[in-house]
Amino acid sequence: GENVEQHPSTLSVQEGDSAVIKCTYSDSASNYFPWYKQELGKGPQLIIDIRSNVGEKKDQRIAVTLNKTAKHFSLHITETQPEDSAVYFCAASNEWGGGADGLTFGKGTHLIIQP
Amino acid sequence: SAVISQKPSRDICQRGTSLTIQCQVDSQVTMMFWYRQQPGQSLTLIATANQGSEATYESGFVIDKFPISRPNLTFSTLTVSNMSPEDSSIYLCSVSSGPTEAFFGQGTRLTVV
Repeated sequence: GENVEQHPSTLSVQEGDSAVIKCTYSDSASNYFPWYKQELGKGPQLIIDIRSNVGEKKDQRIAVTLNKTAKHFSLHITETQPEDSAVYFCAASNEWGGGADGLTFGKGTHLIIQP
Repeated sequence: SAVISQKPSRDICQRGTSLTIQCQVDSQVTMMFWYRQQPGQSLTLIATANQGSEATYESGFVIDKFPISRPNLTFSTLTVSNMSPEDSSIYLCSVSSGPTEAFFGQGTRLTVV
């Protein structure tokens, strides 16, 4: 089955700086890669996703890049703000939304924005 | 986007007892999933809840321990049976429909004492 590795486990950046979180996956059949943000006491919320037919996607301060050959994808957050502090999870699936098999998640990155 | 209501939001249970968690969606959805998130850990898929038939369980999870029902396209339950402290986790319901993102409920925080 799919295996998703995520690094780093904790990331501390100064407010206003950029943050980058990286994930690798093992199953070449995976073609959907969402990123979720989980705040304390809440369920995960999708912040951005990418499909394998594109290499990069941007939404305001958030971007995701995908290298299908190397089987890795990254989340980039620019101009970080205190409200970006949360745990971020990457995931992979062979179908949009997880399809019939659900999503395989990375272990998560605790992002801390220092004022 | 789908709005998911999970009940209860949290509970403290005695070992050896069972707890049933409910997941209600505000619209019909194709897929419903149950995930477990152990303290400080990632999300692990328990099973896919299939409407009108038995759930599909992932390796390491069995029906006797985690019976699941899905009587219609908007509702599912997960029961954690014969609980032990190792079952203390957050249990999350997730839904998706065709080519859309997967939405998550707020989760049920279970503590077994």
